[in-house]
Formats: sequence, structure tokens, C-alpha cells
Amino acid sequence: GENVEQHPSTLSVQEGDSAVIKCTYSDSASNYFPWYKQELGKRPQLIIDIRSNVGEKKDQRIAVTLNKTAKHFSLHITETQPEDSAVYFCAASIRWSGGSNYKLTFGKGTLLTVNP
Amino acid sequence: GAVVSQHPSRVICKSGTSVKIECRSLDFQATTMFWYRQFPKQSLMLMATSNEGSKATYEQGVEKDKFLINHASLTLSTLTVTSAHPEDSSFYICSASVRLAGSSYNEQFFGPGTRLTVL
Repeated sequence: GENVEQHPSTLSVQEGDSAVIKCTYSDSASNYFPWYKQELGKRPQLIIDIRSNVGEKKDQRIAVTLNKTAKHFSLHITETQPEDSAVYFCAASIRWSGGSNYKLTFGKGTLLTVNP
Repeated sequence: GAVVSQHPSRVICKSGTSVKIECRSLDFQATTMFWYRQFPKQSLMLMATSNEGSKATYEQGVEKDKFLINHASLTLSTLTVTSAHPEDSSFYICSASVRLAGSSYNEQFFGPGTRLTVL
């Protein structure tokens, strides 16, 4: 099955700095890579995702890059703010158009702390 | 749209009792729901995939007789933890799969989770 490795496990940055979280996956058939933000005791929230037919996607201060050859993808947060502090999870799955039954395999998570 | 609810949000029970957790899709129909378990400071581990009208598909290592899943309608899936023990204490989260308008793919939306404590 799929195995997703995520690094670092904790990351502390100063407000305004950039944060980068990296993930690798094992199954070359995986084609969908979402990132979730989870605040303490709350549900995971999808913040950005990327499909294997693109190499980069950006949404305001958040961007994700994907290297299919190396089987790794990264989350980039620029101009970090204290409210970005949370646990971030990467995930990978095999998805296909029209199908609803796909499984997400999650990384172990990164605790991001943005210091004011 | 795409709101998923869970009930109860917290439950404390005695060892040996059974606990039922409900997962509902409030504004859409979900043919597929997923149940996850999350220990403190750890990742989400998929327990099973719940399909409306059929048996759930359990992940390796998850006891299907202990974690009973029923997906009786397109908006409701239930997880029953039978004969709960302290080691079953965890945060249980469901998600529902739906295709939003204009999208080519299904997305997963998560419920708020249920904190189970077994004494």
C-alpha cells in the first residue's frame, strides 16, 4: 500500500517568514495530493491540493509543488501569520474521475508554530 | 455546502459498554464515507470505508466485529465501538465524499470528530 513520509515533525518560524513542509510517497500510481490544516481538537480542513498533471499550484500565500519523478511534494506558506499555527498533514491517493471510493493515506503531520 | 456533522462530540463510557457515533452529510448525499481514528499528536489512520447499502471495507488490522459500521442511507453512517476498552479511547473522525458543482473529482469533507474516553 501507499506510504507517506512527512518532514519536519515540528517547525517554528517567525511571523512573516516562509515555511516549507515536505512529503514523499511510495506508490507511483498516486495522482492526488491534498494538504490539510488541523487546529487542536478540530476537524482537518483542506487548504490546497494538487493533481499529478500539474507541477505547481498557488493560492494566495500557499503553494504546493509536485515532483512525480522523485515522488515528493511540498507545501510552501509565505508571509506566515500567527493564525497559520496548526498541524498540517499531507496526503496521497489514487483518484479517478467519476469514482468516489478513494482512500487517503496521511503523513504524520507537522506542527507549525508561527511566533509573533 | 458540503457540511458533515458528527454526534456526539464527546462521550465518556465505562469499559465493556458499546458506543455509537453518527456521521451525517447535511446538505448532500454521500455514497461513500470514511472513518478515521486519531491518537493525540498523531496522524489520521483510516479504519474503514463505508459504502451505502453494502458492507464496509476495513483496513488491515482493524477488527470489524469490534468496530461495526452501518451506512443505511445516503446521508448517515454509524460507527459502533463494541465492548469498549480504555485502549479504544481516541478521536474518531468521519469524512464524506462528494463532487462539488463544477468539479471533475470527488472531495472528502471531514466531520468535527468525536472524542471517546473509556474509563
